[in-house]
Amino acid sequence: QKEVEQDPGPLSVPEGAIVSLNCTYSNSAFQYFMWYRQYSRKGPELLMYTYSSGNKEDGRFTAQVDKSSKYISLFIRDSQPSDSATYLCAMSGGGTSYGKLTFGQGTILTVHP
Amino acid sequence: GAVVSQHPSRVICKSGTSVKIECRSLDFQATTMFWYRQFPKQSLMLMATSNEGSKATYEQGVEKDKFLINHASLTLSTLTVTSAHPEDSSFYICSARGTGVFNEQYFGPGTRLTVT
Repeated sequence: QKEVEQDPGPLSVPEGAIVSLNCTYSNSAFQYFMWYRQYSRKGPELLMYTYSSGNKEDGRFTAQVDKSSKYISLFIRDSQPSDSATYLCAMSGGGTSYGKLTFGQGTILTVHP
Repeated sequence: GAVVSQHPSRVICKSGTSVKIECRSLDFQATTMFWYRQFPKQSLMLMATSNEGSKATYEQGVEKDKFLINHASLTLSTLTVTSAHPEDSSFYICSARGTGVFNEQYFGPGTRLTVT
């Protein structure tokens, strides 16, 4: 079993839709949670990062963490064609793994006009 | 803020030659940088952790003599692929750990290496 499982998609939604991207994890040591967006042939771009359970909002993006269920989500409201990309969840913990990220497999999102 | 650059963005080399890729944090100091490899339609695979002033820590299965990493300053890390072979062709991405407490990493734009 992988430490981080991400719904592989691909997802195809119409412009304006609400998108839900999800990851589950098995390692209880994970404390920090991030979402990255990666356009084709580019490096990942950090969208959101959070530490505690609950919701964190930034513009059209909301990151949700449920540590008791080991489940994180990213919601995109009013999705735009420019949101079409691969979305990666990433996590890290303390101790010897401090600083190292474990990534999900990525979800390919297409928002069509 | 938190911009990371990589150079070159694309390189083609012949089998048996060595290639150096530079990773720079432009507006912050990064004591720790990371090197990843990404194959098409796959997620990022961590190759090594680079700490300024000390030897890099390599992930299991990554040949340290083939992928030489040097982190000589707080803003520069280099990855040298020695005696490159076609199977080394890949997308190499570096990241730099931010100064916050969340372990967030900021990624460079990547370098596409093609070995012929």
